[in-house]
Amino acid sequence: GQNIDQPTEMTATEGAIVQINCTYQTSGFNGLFWYQQHAGEAPTFLSYNVLDGLEEKGRFSSFLSRSKGYSYLLLKELQMKDSASYLCAVRDTYSSASKIIFGSGTRLSIRP
Amino acid sequence: DVKVTQSSRYLVKRTGEKVFLECVQDMDHENMFWYRQDPGLGLRLIYFSYDVKMKEKGDIPEGYSVSREKKERFSLILESASTNQTSMYLCASSPLGPGGYTFGSGTRLTVV
Repeated sequence: GQNIDQPTEMTATEGAIVQINCTYQTSGFNGLFWYQQHAGEAPTFLSYNVLDGLEEKGRFSSFLSRSKGYSYLLLKELQMKDSASYLCAVRDTYSSASKIIFGSGTRLSIRP
Repeated sequence: DVKVTQSSRYLVKRTGEKVFLECVQDMDHENMFWYRQDPGLGLRLIYFSYDVKMKEKGDIPEGYSVSREKKERFSLILESASTNQTSMYLCASSPLGPGGYTFGSGTRLTVV
């Protein structure tokens, strides 16, 4: 079956660092995505990993281990505007249309 | 600026009505998708299309149909709206090959 697991909620302090974990079991694998979604808005693309290792983009980094079916999103120097849901998503290889499967999302709350 | 545009931000419809949700993208993307998003359930794929006049069922196609007569436009149709179809509907598009989705701003549909 297809399954993507991530924590439902997390809380962190402004200025700190937080790591959001994601584990996945999918029929195929052709890349892992992280999206950010503010309440009432559409998801926006944050990162993409297809090879093992760490991808850094400013305050955000994403890590992938394909052998472990594991990824994390690392947010540094947290700001209040980082309060949002973070969606882990995996592209499977089953269909020709590059279908992406989403986790339920982690709601991150930042406190002052 | 590339865009995916959904025709309505908010809609209220009555049970039994036929409902059309329209999505247009200006990026010449081959793939287009319709998801619904509900609290605790994440994004669930309804239908997708990888070419004009082509469509494939996603995970929850029951009660829905789609139409893709032109490359830039992908319509979701609720044949006879029911209250359990009250949800946030998100359209997305992507090119062939690697790369993530670009989402529209979403349509919050309420069926009364």
